[in-house]
Amino acid sequence: AQKVTQAQTEISVVEKEDVTLDCVYETRDTTYYLFWYKQPPSGELVFLIRRNSFDEQNEISGRYSWNFQKSTSSFNFTITASQVVDSAVYFCALSEVGIQKLVFGTGTRLLVSP
Amino acid sequence: EPEVTQTPSHQVTQMGQEVILRCVPISNHLYFYWYRQILGQKVEFLVSFYNNEISEKSEIFDDQFSVERPDGSNFTLKIRSTKLEDSAMYFCASRNDHGANQPQHFGDGTRLSIL
Repeated sequence: AQKVTQAQTEISVVEKEDVTLDCVYETRDTTYYLFWYKQPPSGELVFLIRRNSFDEQNEISGRYSWNFQKSTSSFNFTITASQVVDSAVYFCALSEVGIQKLVFGTGTRLLVSP
Repeated sequence: EPEVTQTPSHQVTQMGQEVILRCVPISNHLYFYWYRQILGQKVEFLVSFYNNEISEKSEIFDDQFSVERPDGSNFTLKIRSTKLEDSAMYFCASRNDHGANQPQHFGDGTRLSIL
């Protein structure tokens, strides 16, 4: 069965601090896909990144970076030099081949204060 | 940039009434989904739809729920006889047919309040 665990319920940081959001997943498939979505206070879900299970290369996009480690079934998300606009709930999600649905974690609420 | 649009943004309905939530997916997308998020909780899958039929549904998606693509652009979720526990944010999503690794793009959601 698929499962995504985001153990951090809420994280509070001060602007300019770096912060890492943890995501651990479970799946029996060898091919799967991982995603991060952002849900700002306005409520919409914004796609941030996807990663295929066969591609363990880490990725950096501006202040965002992602660390995918198959050995520990983790797909962690780091925000460098956080800003107030980063305040949101961040969801990690998993999708398997042939099963199209996204399985979401419970989300991590990030509060960035000035 | 094309986006998924959902209407209405907020729906208030009496318990026992039928409600229809509407979605216009991105025009060249072929896979459509409904999810719900009870306040403060995680996003839960309801149903996926492809080639004019349901491809998968969750335990939540019981006989009270149905989906339809009545024309080439709309994708609707109907709840036949609403219950208090149906109060939630309902998200529509769509993706293209270039593989399961393609991201699902979400609408802004419809907040459903059952009184």
